[in-house]
Amino acid sequence: DTTVKQNPRYKLARVGKPVNLICSQTMNHDTMYWYQKKPNQAPKLLLFYYDKILNREADTFEKFQSSRPNNSFCSLYIGSAGLEYSAMYLCASSRHNYAEQFFGPGTRLTVL
Amino acid sequence: SQWGEENLQALSIQEGEDVTMNCSYKTYTTVVHWYRQDSGRGPALIILIRSNEREKRSGRLRATLDTSSQSSSLSITAAQCEDTAVYFCATTGYQNFYFGKGTSLTVIP
Repeated sequence: DTTVKQNPRYKLARVGKPVNLICSQTMNHDTMYWYQKKPNQAPKLLLFYYDKILNREADTFEKFQSSRPNNSFCSLYIGSAGLEYSAMYLCASSRHNYAEQFFGPGTRLTVL
Repeated sequence: SQWGEENLQALSIQEGEDVTMNCSYKTYTTVVHWYRQDSGRGPALIILIRSNEREKRSGRLRATLDTSSQSSSLSITAAQCEDTAVYFCATTGYQNFYFGKGTSLTVIP
């Protein structure tokens, strides 16, 4: 099974409220990624876990948190959503950093 | 940014035509991935080309990589309606993964 699952598929949030997005994979992949994608823009890497080690991009370091309680699950947490967080959030996993990434269908977050 | 200008953002072609999408990148990479994204789904890898390869083929797909000019192309031969999708190139570096903006391809029957 090469499926990456994401929940929920759609999320509505109020400005200032927290948001928690969930991703799971059963391929026993070492690495899991979170991307943000806005219309007409490239997917932007936010952070990734290699095993239990979290790597966050410098420009999004303080905006997003993540946890990986086990190999299969990874969450993306926004402590206080702003309007600029409205986007598609894509989760992906891979065997290692240079390998093919398998993507989930995404969670569309709308912040009002 | 990792990316230079991509030649095209949107392409519309007739079924049966050939099409080429280009991208250029700024920093060293060992692998260029090409993904396609269908509406309502996440991106899926369609072809991968490594820095020691100049060309890679998979069915009707052909990818090229020119490390000296830091550019890659994806060609589709005899495009079909089901090739309609958004195509992204992506490069990998140490602890990062960069996507280009993508090309929206529409194949008209």
